[in-house]
Amino acid sequence: AQKVTQAQTEISVVEKEDVTLDCVYETRDTTYYLFWYKQPPSGELVFLIRRNSFDEQNEISGRYSWNFQKSTSSFNFTITASQVVDSAVYFCAFNQAGTALIFGKGTTLSVSS
Amino acid sequence: DTGVSQNPRHKITKRGQNVTFRCDPISEHNRLYWYRQTLGQGPEFLTYFQNEAQLEKSRLLSDRFSAERPKGSFSTLEIQRTEQGDSAMYLCASSLGGSRGFTEAFFGQGTRLTVV
Repeated sequence: AQKVTQAQTEISVVEKEDVTLDCVYETRDTTYYLFWYKQPPSGELVFLIRRNSFDEQNEISGRYSWNFQKSTSSFNFTITASQVVDSAVYFCAFNQAGTALIFGKGTTLSVSS
Repeated sequence: DTGVSQNPRHKITKRGQNVTFRCDPISEHNRLYWYRQTLGQGPEFLTYFQNEAQLEKSRLLSDRFSAERPKGSFSTLEIQRTEQGDSAMYLCASSLGGSRGFTEAFFGQGTRLTVV
């Protein structure tokens, strides 16, 4: 069965620090999709990034970057120069053919000024 | 508004009553998901549809829960004989998906259920 693990329950940093959120997944299939979502205090889940299993190229979007490594089944998310507005719960999610989209338990990021 | 819409936003009900929630997905999306989220937890999968077919239902889901998606458009989630443990945020999401891949899922704002 597929599984998504976010081992970090809570992380606290001070503004301008870099922070990496870890995500490890388990699957026996070769075709799958990985996602990151942000859930701010307002509650609505916001999509951040989608990556398919055949594309291991790392991606950067502003202060956000993602490191996908199939060798370690990891899809980690780094925020550079964190800001207070980055405070939220971040979820890693996994999807493949024939299954539902499943989520990790989330990592709560607190950024203080 | 072309996003995922859920109604009602809040529902307070007495234990033992039945409740029904509605989700209107993004119109071109063939997949529709229902999740439950409690405080401090990630979205817990309940069930999903591809078009009008219900493809998977969580083994954790009680028989008191039922979902439908007639004609592959909107969906309803019904909880019969509600219990206090059913109190949670119920989230609906939609996406495009199938043998050629999956797009990201877009979420509605959720229905917060409180069972008293």
